[in-house]
Amino acid sequence: NAGVMQNPRHLVRRRGQEARLRCSPVKGHSHVYWYRQLPEEGLKFMVYLQKENIIDESGMPKERFSAEFPKEGPSILRIQQVVRGDSAAYFCASSRPGAGSYNSPLHFGNGTRLTVT
Amino acid sequence: AQSVTQPDIHITVSEGASLELRCNYSYGATPYLFWYVQSPGQGLQLLLKYFSGDTLVQGIKGFEAEFKRSQSSFNLRKPSVHWSDAAEYFCAVLPEYGNKLVFGAGTILRVKS
Repeated sequence: NAGVMQNPRHLVRRRGQEARLRCSPVKGHSHVYWYRQLPEEGLKFMVYLQKENIIDESGMPKERFSAEFPKEGPSILRIQQVVRGDSAAYFCASSRPGAGSYNSPLHFGNGTRLTVT
Repeated sequence: AQSVTQPDIHITVSEGASLELRCNYSYGATPYLFWYVQSPGQGLQLLLKYFSGDTLVQGIKGFEAEFKRSQSSFNLRKPSVHWSDAAEYFCAVLPEYGNKLVFGAGTILRVKS
């Protein structure tokens, strides 16, 4: 009865390196959302994906950030050339198909805490 | 602008005392409303949700929330707080015709014995 699995739990990168965050949704869920959490700012929406499709990326920074949710395997949030301002907790959530949150609440993972040194 | 506001960043209550966490939203139509709780180092757990109907909704862990359309509010309440309730609480909104949750900044609850 696995929930949303995110790995790694903690990730340390030097400025300029790449960070790859992984999210395996709840079995049977085909919708994935990525959120970023900064201290005292709550969770900020980044991107909403379905299998092989980006549905809404209005919260994604225009450069260096990308996300995918392939037909097979986990969803990946990729941050290229990280900077100190990318340090945050990144949360993935998943839901069942068809309705999103109002018919199928989001299930959240425990997050990946990225630290850029 | 559309937003979700949790006016209290921190709240401290004594164990056994009652609790009310405030949430206001500014959306034209009635959105779907949620409360989540986050324990340190953990993800978010859904406490309760409101879609329509009875404006007082019951959730897990003894929490309830009341939707007040006239005040655009969805405040979370608990009659008697336990030390294990110490956590951060987030109000969230799914706008009508929206496809993603919008979160408030959160309220950190501290419980003193």
